[in-house]
Amino acid sequence: GAVVSQHPSWVICKSGTSVKIECRSLDFQATTMFWYRQFPKQSLMLMATSNEGSKATYEQGVEKDKFLINHASLTLSTLTVTSAHPEDSSFYICGAGGSGANVLTFGAGSRLTVL
Amino acid sequence: KQEVTQIPAALSVPEGENLVLNCSFTDSAIYNLQWFRQDPGKGLTSLLLIQSSQREQTSGRLNASLDKSSGRSTLYIAASQPGDSATYLCAVSGNMLTFGGGTRLMVKP
Repeated sequence: GAVVSQHPSWVICKSGTSVKIECRSLDFQATTMFWYRQFPKQSLMLMATSNEGSKATYEQGVEKDKFLINHASLTLSTLTVTSAHPEDSSFYICGAGGSGANVLTFGAGSRLTVL
Repeated sequence: KQEVTQIPAALSVPEGENLVLNCSFTDSAIYNLQWFRQDPGKGLTSLLLIQSSQREQTSGRLNASLDKSSGRSTLYIAASQPGDSATYLCAVSGNMLTFGGGTRLMVKP
C-alpha cells in the first residue's frame, strides 16, 4: 500500500532557529499534500494545502511567511518553521494524496519542541 | 507499537439508518482518540475528540465512546444521510499519532 515517510520524528531546537520537516511519498506520486499540526489535548488542525508545482494555500490564521511549504516534486514536500518560538512547539503531520485519490496517506508525524 | 484497526472497512446503508463504526487499538496508554471524516480528494475534518479521561463525546447526530481499558472506540451516527458518505478515520494519540485504516461509508438515498 501507499507509504509516506515523514522526517524527523522528533526535533528539539533553540528559539530563533529554523526547522525543516520532510514528507516523502515512497511508492506513489503525491499531487496534493496537506499539512496539519496538533497542540496538546487538541484536534488536528489543517495548516495548508499544497499541489505539486503550485503555491500552498494556507488556512486562516496560519502565517505563510513563518511556515514555508515547498512541494516542488511529486514525491517530496517540506514544511519549514522559520524563526521558531516555544509556542510553535507542536505535533506536525502531513497527508499525501495522489491524483484522483479518495484517501490520503499520512506520515507518522514530527514532534517539534522549541526551547 | 500501537496498532489501530477499524471495522468494517466499508459499509453501505440506506438513508435513515443508525449505524456504528468500530475502532480498536492495542496500546491503552493514549492521550486521546479522535474521529475524522475524509471526503474524496480532500483533507481531514475533525469530528470528535475524546480525551483519555473521558468516556464519550457528542456532536449533533454523532456520538463517540471510548473504553480505554479494552482498547475500543465506537462512532455512532444517528439517522444517516447521503451527505454522511465519506471515509471515517479514527486516530489514537500517544507518543505518535496512529491512524486506523478507515471505514468507507456510503449512504444511499
